Formats: sequence, C-alpha cells, structure tokens
Amino acid sequence: DSGVTQTPKHLITATGQRVTLRCSPRSGDLSVYWYQQSLDQGLQFLIQYYNGEERAKGNILERFSAQQFPDLHSELNLSSLELGDSALYFCASSPWGGSGEQYFGPGTRLTVT
Amino acid sequence: DAKTTQPNSMESNEEEPVHLPCNHSTISGTDYIHWYRQLPSQGPEYVIHGLTSNVNNRMASLAIAEDRKSSTLILHRATLRDAAVYYCILFDNNAGNMLTFGGGTRLMVKP
Repeated sequence: DSGVTQTPKHLITATGQRVTLRCSPRSGDLSVYWYQQSLDQGLQFLIQYYNGEERAKGNILERFSAQQFPDLHSELNLSSLELGDSALYFCASSPWGGSGEQYFGPGTRLTVT
Repeated sequence: DAKTTQPNSMESNEEEPVHLPCNHSTISGTDYIHWYRQLPSQGPEYVIHGLTSNVNNRMASLAIAEDRKSSTLILHRATLRDAAVYYCILFDNNAGNMLTFGGGTRLMVKP
C-alpha cells in the first residue's frame, strides 16, 4: 500500500460525458502527479501540482483539467469524453516537486462507451 | 530527454537471481537512474534509484557501470510475486518533474 488513494476504482460512462477522478496523496506529500496508461500509448505524464499550484504539464488534452485543493487532494476532470479516453488514470505523490521518487495510487479505470 | 533501452521480456526461475539490464548511452551528468515496477493490475511501484555508486535496498540492488551508460537491476532471489514490468527511467532532480516511462521489461518468473 503506497498511501495514495484514488476514487473511484472503476468508472463507466458514455461519450460526451464529463467525469471527475479524485486522488489523496500520502500524508505530508505536497506534490501530486497524474498519469494516463492506455494500451497503445503506455504510461504518459499528464500534469503536476505542487502545494496547490500547477507545476508542469505533459500531454494533457484541452478537454482535461486538474486542480489541487488546500487539503492537498487533487481532482482530474475529463470532459467531452471520447472512446479513446478509455484508460487507466494514475495519481502519484511525492514530498516535494521535482522528485523522481513518486508513489502511485491503485488507479481509476475509465471506460467510455 | 535521455532515453533508455531495455529488453522487451525476460524469464527467470523462482528463487534464482535476476539481472535486468538497461542501456542509457546519452545519460547526462545530472540524471539519476530510477527503477520502477508495475505488477499486474496495480500502479507503478518505486524500486530503487542511484547516481553513480551501486545501491542496495530491501527490494533490490542497482549496479551502475563506471561510465554510467548502462545499469542493472538485481533481484537476488526472484519470487512469483516479482513477475511484473520493470521500467528503467532517467530523471534529472534539478529539472525534472515527470517520469517518462518506456516499454520496460516484462519479467516472467517460472516456479
């Protein structure tokens, strides 16, 4: 158990819909990272927040957005969903920004039908 | 970003040592070598990292070549629970934020 929690575990929704994925980092960690894992693209970095501020952006689509709240939990919002957004979404945390030692949650499996 | 090259898959027998190689010939002086693994249906798990010297922890050992162009993750006694995809990743602590995952090595452990 990494100490990172993600909800929900599974999500099934229709194209065009909007969903919110939630992540609680390990106690004391200030940085949260979001990654997407699909069969054809592998594991890809989406976005990082550090202590409430956006720190780095990867290959995140404009239809996706994220935020980190004062209690340090983070939410990833996915809108106008397409079939290709079906993937595993992982959240990771680390004590500070710019750390290669990141602790991953169990993931949320999103299926868009 | 400096890239790493790993074999697609490897096989090992249970209770035998496993040596997982990684080539990173374009590594820069500030790149740390990180290893992660991903067990089936789980998120990636940090294993070990190092800069120049060999490193040991409770999970594994990391052997780094003198020229730093390659490294080897060593599992001293493979168990069935070690069957996973192992990723070798270069990370610059001074400039990095994201982990860049390649294809990794799928390790299969035979009983």
